[in-house]
Amino acid sequence: EVQLVESGGGLVQPGGSLRLSCAASGFTFSSYSMNWVRQAPGKGLEWVAYVSSSANTIYYGDSMKGRFTISRDNVKNSLYLQMNSLRAEDTGVYYCAREIVGATDYFDYWGQGTLVTVSS
Amino acid sequence: SYELTQPPSVSVSPGQTATITCSGEKLGDKYACWYQQKAGQSPVLVIYQDNKRHSGIPERFSGSNSGNTATLTISGTQAMDEADYYCQAWDSSAMVFGGGTKLTVL
Repeated sequence: EVQLVESGGGLVQPGGSLRLSCAASGFTFSSYSMNWVRQAPGKGLEWVAYVSSSANTIYYGDSMKGRFTISRDNVKNSLYLQMNSLRAEDTGVYYCAREIVGATDYFDYWGQGTLVTVSS
Repeated sequence: SYELTQPPSVSVSPGQTATITCSGEKLGDKYACWYQQKAGQSPVLVIYQDNKRHSGIPERFSGSNSGNTATLTISGTQAMDEADYYCQAWDSSAMVFGGGTKLTVL
């Protein structure tokens, strides 16, 4: 059974940093591209970042560039998101999602999410 | 940047057909997928590659994509289908989500 379990969320002050983790199990983690997607309270889904299976290719959403860093450890079967210079508008639930890459790209499994609150 | 537009809300009576649209420039030239998100839960993949149902998704869910519009159709809508639905497409090294449509089953 595919499982994605996020952790590391919490309350942080504006300008602060936070590192999210996503522990993967039930599949060969090193064979899949992974993503972070976030959702502000009461709002829609927003794609945050992508990392290819071998971490050779990384992409970020426009509002995250320069502040967030996605990474992975294929030995530990884990995905990470380092978030710096956090702003109030970064508040929300952060999901990790497994991506199917091919003729089309989509997220076939999502974690339960971890809540990040940026507030003083 | 690429944008996908969905109606904020759609209402349907139980047993009727619900149609949710997703519009974007030349969306038919890309592949679209759809996610369902029930209150307090994570999103779940419903449709991928325009019209393929993800495993475990009931046959009443179907999809199409042509021109500038992708469409999610739910035939014989049930109360359990009440949720937010999001379309998604890939464009120029970025995943794009529509703003979401709240489906209410009255």
